[in-house]
Amino acid sequence: DGGITQSPKYLFRKEGQNVTLSCEQNLNHDAMYWYRQDPGQGLRLIYYSQIVNDFQKGDIAEGYSVSREKKESFPLTVTSAQKNPTAFYLCASSRREGRETQYFGPGTRLLVL
Amino acid sequence: LAKTTQPISMDSYEGQEVNITCSHNNIATNDYITWYQQFPSQGPRFIIQGYKTKVTNEVASLFIPADRKSSTLSLPRVSLSDTAVYYCLVPLRGSGAGSYQLTFGKGTKLSVIP
Repeated sequence: DGGITQSPKYLFRKEGQNVTLSCEQNLNHDAMYWYRQDPGQGLRLIYYSQIVNDFQKGDIAEGYSVSREKKESFPLTVTSAQKNPTAFYLCASSRREGRETQYFGPGTRLLVL
Repeated sequence: LAKTTQPISMDSYEGQEVNITCSHNNIATNDYITWYQQFPSQGPRFIIQGYKTKVTNEVASLFIPADRKSSTLSLPRVSLSDTAVYYCLVPLRGSGAGSYQLTFGKGTKLSVIP
């Protein structure tokens, strides 16, 4: 877990609702990442950010949005356009993008009511 | 992008050495290969990282051949607490010249039997 925190641990979403998952790091890392994990699917990259005010789509960005207004924070919003949001969401950070070890937070489990 | 391939699951008795291989034909030249361990409902934990040949730390060894098209994580004398899912993270070549994307394998579930 290191210096990466994610909240909440569990989150419930109603139909048509947007929800935001928090990710904060105090490691002074430039790069941050969001992954989605489904059973038997491993980790799939949603979005990543190499520096403040910049971010790129990963493999499964549709239905998600992010912002990177501060170096230590990289919140993920799961929008109503994401039709199958139930999953385990993991945030990670590294000193810079690529060639650096990624350190992961404890994860947030999102469930649909 | 080509994907990585790992065995879905492996069983081992306590005290044995376990080798888990990740195949990645389309690996880029730019970056390291990294292995992670994950317990249920937790974030992945870094185990070891390497670029070529052999790397060893206090918990594991990593073997990478010269062509880098595979990597093997070696866990010496496993115990029950090593029961977990193990992932490789590999830089795969992208569509643009020199581009690559770090891609996780689907994971290998290791079960250690008493």
